[in-house]
Amino acid sequence: ETGVTQTPRHLVMGMTNKKSLKCEQHLGHNAMYWYKQSAKKPLELMFVYSLEERVENNSVPSRFSPECPNSSHLFLHLHTLQPEDSALYLCASSRTNSPLHFGNGTRLTVT
Amino acid sequence: QKEVEQDPGPLSVPEGAIVSLNCTYSNSAFQYFMWYRQYSRKGPELLMYTYSSGNKEDGRFTAQVDKSSKYISLFIRDSQPSDSATYLCAMRGSSSNDYKLSFGAGTTVTVRA
Repeated sequence: ETGVTQTPRHLVMGMTNKKSLKCEQHLGHNAMYWYKQSAKKPLELMFVYSLEERVENNSVPSRFSPECPNSSHLFLHLHTLQPEDSALYLCASSRTNSPLHFGNGTRLTVT
Repeated sequence: QKEVEQDPGPLSVPEGAIVSLNCTYSNSAFQYFMWYRQYSRKGPELLMYTYSSGNKEDGRFTAQVDKSSKYISLFIRDSQPSDSATYLCAMRGSSSNDYKLSFGAGTTVTVRA
């Protein structure tokens, strides 16, 4: 059982839908991350929150909107997505300068 | 040029063989080096974590870092079918504000029983 829990595990949405991905970490870490994983490509960092403050926003389109209400929870709000946004979305957490611990991801399909 | 290069494979070996994986990188500022293992339909899990150059051993796994050549390796001894997975290398600089990990694309390994 991972210390980082992501829900839902699978999500299919149309291009006009609004949905949210949820992440919760039980490790006492102070930083949380969203990554996008597409086939045959390196993981792409999307957002980083440290102590609930966004410290990295990696030129991500505005149709992706993160929210970090506290150090244990992270959301990714999705709106008007494109088919090329279909991917595995991974949440991770860490202490400062320590390795990342990943959740099992949400497999997103945009139709 | 990609910041981190990793041969995607796939790599297929018989059970008991030594698996050799490697990554090259271009950024001389990288100081921390990691290997993650990712099983199908799971998230990456940390295997090895090393700082600067040198070797680190943990059971059947050995990680090597050669900063002069900008080259890192992971060796798996006495490989088992349960080692079949995708292996990702990752690295970052040493600044406390450096949250960005640079990943390789991953090498898919199959260990045949």
